[in-house]
Amino acid sequence: DQQVKQNSPSLSVQEGRISILNCDYTNSMFDYFLWYKKYPAEGPTFLISISSIKDKNEDGRFTVFLNKSAKHLSLHIVPSQPGDSAVYFCAASLDFGNEKLTFGTGTRLTIIP
Amino acid sequence: DAGVTQSPTHLIKTRGQQVTLRCSPKSGHDTVSWYQQALGQGPQFIFQYYEEEERQRGNFPDRFSGHQFPNYSSELNVNALLLGDSALYLCASSPWPIVDIMNTEAFFGQGTRLTVV
Repeated sequence: DQQVKQNSPSLSVQEGRISILNCDYTNSMFDYFLWYKKYPAEGPTFLISISSIKDKNEDGRFTVFLNKSAKHLSLHIVPSQPGDSAVYFCAASLDFGNEKLTFGTGTRLTIIP
Repeated sequence: DAGVTQSPTHLIKTRGQQVTLRCSPKSGHDTVSWYQQALGQGPQFIFQYYEEEERQRGNFPDRFSGHQFPNYSSELNVNALLLGDSALYLCASSPWPIVDIMNTEAFFGQGTRLTVV
């Protein structure tokens, strides 16, 4: 049972444009959501997170939006840069600080120069 | 700061054998979690250790066991290896949330690529 889903395995975006990565979840008990970025031969790197009490969190070029009623979150990257090319994982946990994360299958983002 | 370090980086084992993977957490972190990432999948939570005890466990059989040492480093042991155990094994460390509530996000190591033949 895939509780966190990333339905787009890949996404290509022109440099300078907006990248939008989507994530859906089925478990309404999830309370905290995170995005991780992964380069080849490296472990995932934390990007940004959001608590279920918020609907938006922003950190520089990265913004995460949460729609609890739709059980949907998205990551916006503006403007997209070549160094953003990586695999992005959406993850969820039952509460803040709980390191038992449930991950999606990832979206490979390619930024076209 | 060396971050989270894992050893070895690659490993080939034969079906039925046993394997031990090692993890040193980031400086200042006392909680270690292990994940299995199969090809084309996201990481799946195996278990978490804090104060040398297993605190949480995912849906993995008892063939998967672990240990945490007083210096917070950890080992993942897998017995009776199956071909399906071939995966990237990731270790993540974090501070126990009660201690450091502002910085609880997990830091991951580069992983150990296990191939079972």
